[in-house]
Amino acid sequence: QKEVEQNSGPLSVPEGAIASLNCTYSDRGSQSFFWYRQYSGKSPELIMSIYSNGDKEDGRFTAQLNKASQYVSLLIRDSQPSDSATYLCAVNRDNDYKLSFGAGTTVTVRA
Amino acid sequence: EPEVTQTPSHQVTQMGQEVILRCVPISNHLYFYWYRQILGQKVEFLVSFYNNEISEKSEIFDDQFSVERPDGSNFTLKIRSTKLEDSAMYFCASSELAGITSEQFFGPGTRLTVL
Repeated sequence: QKEVEQNSGPLSVPEGAIASLNCTYSDRGSQSFFWYRQYSGKSPELIMSIYSNGDKEDGRFTAQLNKASQYVSLLIRDSQPSDSATYLCAVNRDNDYKLSFGAGTTVTVRA
Repeated sequence: EPEVTQTPSHQVTQMGQEVILRCVPISNHLYFYWYRQILGQKVEFLVSFYNNEISEKSEIFDDQFSVERPDGSNFTLKIRSTKLEDSAMYFCASSELAGITSEQFFGPGTRLTVL
């Protein structure tokens, strides 16, 4: 079983719509959860972090965490063409240093 | 805004040669990391470094790899004898903290091509 799983996509949404990205993880010891955005040929860029159950909003982004279901999601509201990228889910355990990444979900926003 | 920098942006080398990839972490960060991403694959952890010691390493980080903080600003990854399968993007990252609230910030990466 993969540590961190994401739907690979591509996820295609029209401009102005909501993009919904999902991530599941296998290790119940995971404590910290991150969403990174990666444009083609570029490095991961941190966009959200979430540590406790519930929702966390930052601008057009909302992260949702459900530790009981081992599930974390990212909503992108009012999607823009500039949001077209691969979104990486990453998790780490307390007392661990490494981030474990999913393979990423590619999002395409149609103008 | 402070950022992680990496040099070179692209390194081409012959199989069996040694390469050194360089990184300058964010200045007030104490924890440093190397990750790699083979083309089309996921980002993989290699090693973390704190207080001049390796704090964690993956099974990828074998004896061919080493890390060093030669001065107060640079953090390097050395691959002693490169293999074709070492071709990848190598990302340096740094964080102010470790553990549950550590946000890791990535540099732009070095694309390593082994011929």
